[in-house]
Amino acid sequence: AQTVTQSQPEMSVQEAETVTLSCTYDTSESDYYLFWYKQPPSRQMILVIRQEAYKQQNATENRFSVNFQKAAKSFSLKISDSQLGDAAMYFCAYRRYSGGGADGLTFGKGTHLIIQP
Amino acid sequence: EAQVTQNPRYLITVTGKKLTVTCSQNMNHEYMSWYRQDPGLGLRQIYYSMNVEVTDKGDVPEGYKVSRKEKRNFPLILESPSPNQTSLYFCASSLLAAAKNIQYFGAGTRLSVL
Repeated sequence: AQTVTQSQPEMSVQEAETVTLSCTYDTSESDYYLFWYKQPPSRQMILVIRQEAYKQQNATENRFSVNFQKAAKSFSLKISDSQLGDAAMYFCAYRRYSGGGADGLTFGKGTHLIIQP
Repeated sequence: EAQVTQNPRYLITVTGKKLTVTCSQNMNHEYMSWYRQDPGLGLRQIYYSMNVEVTDKGDVPEGYKVSRKEKRNFPLILESPSPNQTSLYFCASSLLAAAKNIQYFGAGTRLSVL
C-alpha cells in the first residue's frame, strides 16, 4: 500500500519570506500523480499544484513550486513571498496511475502553516 | 458555477439514528468519492463510484453505505451511527476515474455523533 508522510506538523514563516513543506511517499509504482492541497479555516480543499511522475520538470503555479525527486520519493512544496492568505493546513497526496483508475487519493497527515505578519 | 455540494454542512445526532449526507455535482463527472478527515490522520477514502450503479469500498468503509442511482448524486448513508464516526466528511468528484483527472471537493460536512 502507498503511504504519504509529512514530517512537519506545523511550520511558521514571516510574511514575504519563502517556506518549504516536506513530503515523502512510498510506492512500488512507476507512474503516479502527486498533489498538494490547501485547506484554509473554511475547510474547503483547494488544489494548489500537481506533478505527474513521468515528467522530470518540476511543476510551478505562480508563487508555488515543487521539488520532485523521484528516486528519493520526495515531493516538497515551496511557497515564495508568503502571504497572510497562505495560512492553512497543507496536505500532500498521491494517486496511483492505473488503467482502471479506481484508486482514490492517499493523503499525508498535513502540515499547519502559520504566516507571521 | 461548477461545484460539488454537500448537505448538511453541520450535523449533530445520537448513536443509532440513521442519517444521510447528500452529495451532488453539476459537472457531469463519472467518478465520485467520499473521504473522512480526522485530526492527525489526514483524509481517508470511505467509498468511491466509477459511474452509475458502480460503487466500491475504499480504505475505511465499515459502518457506511453509498448508492449511485444518478450520475450527479452520491449520498453517504450511516445506518447506525456510532461516536467513532464523528468526523469531517468530504465528497469529491472528477471527470473520469483516471488519476490524471483532478478531484474537486465539496465544502465538507461536520458530523458529531453523541
